[in-house]
Amino acid sequence: GAVVSQHPSRVICKSGTSVKIECRSLDFQATTMFWYRQFPKQSLMLMATSNEGSKATYEQGVEKDKFLINHASLTLSTLTVTSAHPEDSSFYICSAGTGGYDSPLHFGNGTRLTVT
Amino acid sequence: AQSVSQHNHHVILSEAASLELGCNYSYGGTVNLFWYVQYPGQHLQLLLKYFSGDPLVKGIKGFEAEFIKSKFSFNLRKPSVQWSDTAEYFCAVKKSDTGRRALTFGSGTRLQVQP
Repeated sequence: GAVVSQHPSRVICKSGTSVKIECRSLDFQATTMFWYRQFPKQSLMLMATSNEGSKATYEQGVEKDKFLINHASLTLSTLTVTSAHPEDSSFYICSAGTGGYDSPLHFGNGTRLTVT
Repeated sequence: AQSVSQHNHHVILSEAASLELGCNYSYGGTVNLFWYVQYPGQHLQLLLKYFSGDPLVKGIKGFEAEFIKSKFSFNLRKPSVQWSDTAEYFCAVKKSDTGRRALTFGSGTRLQVQP
């Protein structure tokens, strides 16, 4: 089946530094990728949608200058949390799909970010 | 306002018990509905989905769900749970008449099955 590899699975960084999270589709071409953020005991909140070769579309309330998303190829999207603060600590999950609107979405294992 | 509600946050059952997890959504347009499962340390996996047709859909591992349009509900059921069903379950909605492909998730239900 389709596999989405998300790396790293856990990262700890200091306040003010930047962290990059990678999301790769291993055996399919991901024309669209979604980035979610999950707080404890809450739902996955959509942060942004990225289409390969285009600028990401951010959800209301998500700072695009803080959460930089790059989707430069059909197999890789990255989320960079810039100038991280403790309130950015969360679980980040990517999801990828091929071109068809009804085609299934596949999820990465998530990244636990802790900012100290 | 939460547009997808899962009222059961934590459910504990014994093996062989029947399961029903509630999911309600608050969107009045056309929807596609999903249930995902997340086993400890693993990624979200699709259990089943409803796009159209028979409102009773069957998924993997003996799970089924029923779409009741009048109640805006898509409850997940399994007649007899196993210890291996211990996981977190997420209901999700795609607002298919908007053209948006992104899913809106509920807050999840943690299921713990005791042997």
